Amino acid sequence: EPEVTQTPSHQVTQMGQEVILRCVPISNHLYFYWYRQILGQKVEFLVSFYNNEISEKSEIFDDQFSVERPDGSNFTLKIRSTKLEDSAMYFCASNSQATDTQYFGPGTRLTVL
Amino acid sequence: GESVGLHLPTLSVQEGDNSIINCAYSNSASDYFIWYKQESGKGPQFIIDIRSNMDKRQGQRVTVLLNKTVKHLSLQIAATQPGDSAVYFCAENSSTGFQKLVFGTGTRLLVSP
Repeated sequence: EPEVTQTPSHQVTQMGQEVILRCVPISNHLYFYWYRQILGQKVEFLVSFYNNEISEKSEIFDDQFSVERPDGSNFTLKIRSTKLEDSAMYFCASNSQATDTQYFGPGTRLTVL
Repeated sequence: GESVGLHLPTLSVQEGDNSIINCAYSNSASDYFIWYKQESGKGPQFIIDIRSNMDKRQGQRVTVLLNKTVKHLSLQIAATQPGDSAVYFCAENSSTGFQKLVFGTGTRLLVSP
């Protein structure tokens, strides 16, 4: 069964450093998303992406964040200058139509020291 | 603003019991609702969804009920098994478009053998 994959599973970085989180959505999906979940809290929407551009973004997704689909399979989230409060699980999701179920990857745990 | 909330943070049941997890939502314009299961260290896993033109939908051992009048959603799990132990989130699509999902805070289901 096709699934969303994410790498790395755990990323540790120093405050102020840049990180890139990687996702491979399900192959025939066209809509891509990033969410984050701070430990013990609910899952929060960050950004949606379709047709090589951002469709919608939340207040969390400020100028330090960017997304890219560099090729036909990968979808990345970049944080330019990480802050302590960026520590969280980051989930990638995808679906084939905007009205369809979003399928989530296993997540990347980002720890900012 | 939008909010999706859960009544109970933890639900403890015995194996074989039926479980009911509740969720209240505040956005009357939402037309799509989803239940996700999240096991420790994993991403949200789709369980079942329902659109606002329905009151009830059944899956394998799970049933979702939607009461639009009181903006309430519930997930019923029949014959609960230890493998059902997880955190369950309800989510709704946002009125801002595309598929920005708004998640509730989650209910932890603990199933004792």
